Amino acid sequence: EAGVAQSPRYKIIEKRQSVAFWCNPISGHATLYWYQQILGQGPKLLIQFQNNGVVDDSQLPKDRFSAERLKGVDSTLKIQPAKLEDSAVYLCASSEDTNTEAFFGQGTRLTVV
Amino acid sequence: GNSVTQMEGPVTLSEEAFLTINCTYTATGYPSLFWYVQYPGEGLQLLLKATKADDKGSNKGFEATYRKETTSFHLEKGSVQVSDSAVYFCALDDTGGFKTIFGAGTRLFVKA
Repeated sequence: EAGVAQSPRYKIIEKRQSVAFWCNPISGHATLYWYQQILGQGPKLLIQFQNNGVVDDSQLPKDRFSAERLKGVDSTLKIQPAKLEDSAVYLCASSEDTNTEAFFGQGTRLTVV
Repeated sequence: GNSVTQMEGPVTLSEEAFLTINCTYTATGYPSLFWYVQYPGEGLQLLLKATKADDKGSNKGFEATYRKETTSFHLEKGSVQVSDSAVYFCALDDTGGFKTIFGAGTRLFVKA
């Protein structure tokens, strides 16, 4: 069974530029999560989708971050404009439903210079 | 608010040594507790979990017991292998789902 796919694996951008990350969850998984993992810290939930609806985006910095899951399958996370403190690994995870085990992708490592 | 505190790393052990990684939590109610592992170059994987007090989660020789009286969920393994080298995250969830709060992670190095 294919796992959660994320791309790109690495991205380096200058501050104030824009960047987008893509996630393809495990087939049939209704719930999709985006986490931010800053170096030396544990992952922090940014946003949770159930199908194509947002369940929780309370920790998403909405002035610069946006995410969508238009067809309830794959998802994109965008940062515009990026700041130095956005340097982190962005993890996508999916689960069959909100109360089942989540499976994580390998993440996208973003460096903002 | 809810939080997880785990011992700082890195932890360096020789093969076949005993492993303990300490984890304590602060939460309202009765959270579920988890240990996740992240091997080099791979995504996070659920290692084990416990959903109520005195439960013991176990997997791949690792164990952790949910101690409500000490609000702890320490990870243990009797004999580590080089292949156990990874970063280990303690986590909790108090909503009944998998929206988890993670600790900072503890890196384990096992030498042959």
